[in-house]
Amino acid sequence: DAGVTQSPTHLIKTRGQQVTLRCSPKSGHDTVSWYQQALGQGPQFIFQYYEEEERQRGNFPDRFSGHQFPNYSSELNVNALLLGDSALYLCASSFGGGASRGKTQYFGPGTRLLVL
Amino acid sequence: GQSLEQPSEVTAVEGAIVQINCTYQTSGFYGLSWYQQHDGGAPTFLSYNALDGLEETGRFSSFLSRSDSYGYLLLQELQMKDSASYFCAVRDNASGGSYIPTFGRGTSLIVHP
Repeated sequence: DAGVTQSPTHLIKTRGQQVTLRCSPKSGHDTVSWYQQALGQGPQFIFQYYEEEERQRGNFPDRFSGHQFPNYSSELNVNALLLGDSALYLCASSFGGGASRGKTQYFGPGTRLLVL
Repeated sequence: GQSLEQPSEVTAVEGAIVQINCTYQTSGFYGLSWYQQHDGGAPTFLSYNALDGLEETGRFSSFLSRSDSYGYLLLQELQMKDSASYFCAVRDNASGGSYIPTFGRGTSLIVHP
């Protein structure tokens, strides 16, 4: 039973560029959440996708966008990269919308993004 | 707004018992989760408390007091592999039905031999 997978594992970009990160949820899960984790901090919620729609969004600018595909996999896109976007980007999957969202999440290994 | 407070660092020796506290301020509280994260790794779900009391899972236990807006994670028979960061996360309705967990800044647990 495959857990949550993310690609790529590491990425180096320069300011102003765009990046796309990918996530495949744990088998049987239909909800994907994205988090940004800066060094020494806890994960910060970016947004959550369920039934191919963005259901909830954290306090992140519109430069951060996403998508969920019919197979429940998801992408995170970040445009016009800033130095401050350097962080570990985590994907977490769970099952079911509504009140079960966010109750028990399984995290992927993350993508470490460095913006120069 | 939401806020969570947990100690930045806790140290203990192998075989000992350690308690990591978490206090929170939020509205529409649903539950408190705990996650473990080793350096460079993914956060791993440990426990979820929605009701007052103690939940035990092997060497780890988690406690919640809703009236005190307080919880803790108790780790017994500490092992070197328990050295990691531990995050508490509040799941609430602060954003109108979001249920999205808000994470604390984490507690670095260092276990010495």
